[in-house]
This record gives sequence, C-alpha cells and structure tokens, in this order.
Amino acid sequence: GAGVSQTPSNKVTEKGKYVELRCDPISGHTALYWYRQSLGQGPEFLIYFQGTGAADDSGLPNDRFFAVRPEGSVSTLKIQRTERGDSAVYLCASSLTPRGRGGDTQYFGPGTRLTVL
Amino acid sequence: SQKIEQNSEALNIQEGKTATLTCNYTNYSPAYLQWYRQDPGRGPVFLLLIRENEKEKRKERLKVTFDTTLKQSLFHITASQPADSATYLCALGPSIQGAQKLVFGQGTRLTINP
Repeated sequence: GAGVSQTPSNKVTEKGKYVELRCDPISGHTALYWYRQSLGQGPEFLIYFQGTGAADDSGLPNDRFFAVRPEGSVSTLKIQRTERGDSAVYLCASSLTPRGRGGDTQYFGPGTRLTVL
Repeated sequence: SQKIEQNSEALNIQEGKTATLTCNYTNYSPAYLQWYRQDPGRGPVFLLLIRENEKEKRKERLKVTFDTTLKQSLFHITASQPADSATYLCALGPSIQGAQKLVFGQGTRLTINP
C-alpha cells in the first residue's frame, strides 16, 4: 500500500519568506508526527497529532512554527519569517494509533529538504 | 537533561562479520527502545522494538539487547552484508503514559566492506 508522502521533496526559499510543507499519512493512521533532522543528527521531535488535535507541540522551537491537521488526515507544517537556521529535512511520520505506553511503529515519509538562503 | 549517545559516528565492518552498535542514555526511563535504519535521502525505517521488561529481541540477522540498569542497548547485525550499509538510529519511547514522541540518537553510519 501507499506509504507516507511529503511534498515538496525540496524547497528553497529566501530568508523572511513563509513556507508550507505537506504530509499525507498512511490511510487510517490516527497519529501523525513532525520531526526535523539536521545534517549528521537524528530526527528531533516537533509536534504530534492525535486525530485533528495537537496532543503535544512541545518540540516546536518558537511561534514561527505552526502545524495543522484540520480533517484528521493531511497535515501542513507552516513556518513564518524563515531563517537560515530553519534549513533542515522535515520528516513526517504516522502510526496506526497510540496505545498508551505501547509504542506503535512510526512510518516515516521521505522528508522535505528545506533550504533557506 | 535527557541525553542519548550512539557511540561512533561511523563504523566499518568486513562483510560476514558481526556489526555491533551501541546506544547509551542518561536522565531517562524509557518504556521501550526502537532501532531504525536510514538510507541517504530517505526517512527512517523501523527495524525492532524492545520493551523495558525485555532483555533481548531477535529478527532474522538482527538482535537487540536492552539493559535498563546500564541504560544501554546493543544492536547486532550478524553475517553482515554490503546491503546492510546505512545509518542506524536508536530512539527512546516515552516514559510518560500518553506521550508519544520518540527521542532519537544522532545515528551511527555503518559501512560493510566486501
């Protein structure tokens, strides 16, 4: 079946611009996660959705970052007034449903490589 | 603060040998630990999960151990093949019920030489 897809695969923007990154999770997965990965580092958690609501947004670095999932499926990560330090690969993952401390497998998309000039 | 370290950024192993990767953590009590594989330009792919009450887990040529006293997990690939070359990430699951985020190590880049 189809996996997690992310668009665009690459995004180059200028400092100060606004960008939107899209994630299409696996159909039927209620949980959706955004991570950010810098070169040579592991993914860093940003935000987690359970259905339409953001259950944990503790990883968002500041108020320039915002994410939505209005219908409980597709999610958009929005970054305002981009800075050069925002350059990274933004990864999206989905899982079937969180089971308390059970640890559902998270399925990752290929990521969007964001470059801020 | 929570800290996860995967020893050695890069590891070179001769084909056929066993590759052993290490994940150490501090200031954390995870409910489970996962290992992922990541190829260049791709997202991480789940390999194995081991829970806090399990000592060892196996899947084909892969073996994971989890020592909550030492706060360490070892990841073994036996009979390694060039196709096993990739970056391997360990990730800690939540210690708080209901919290779902994974905390990743920085990864170890494994190269299997023919």
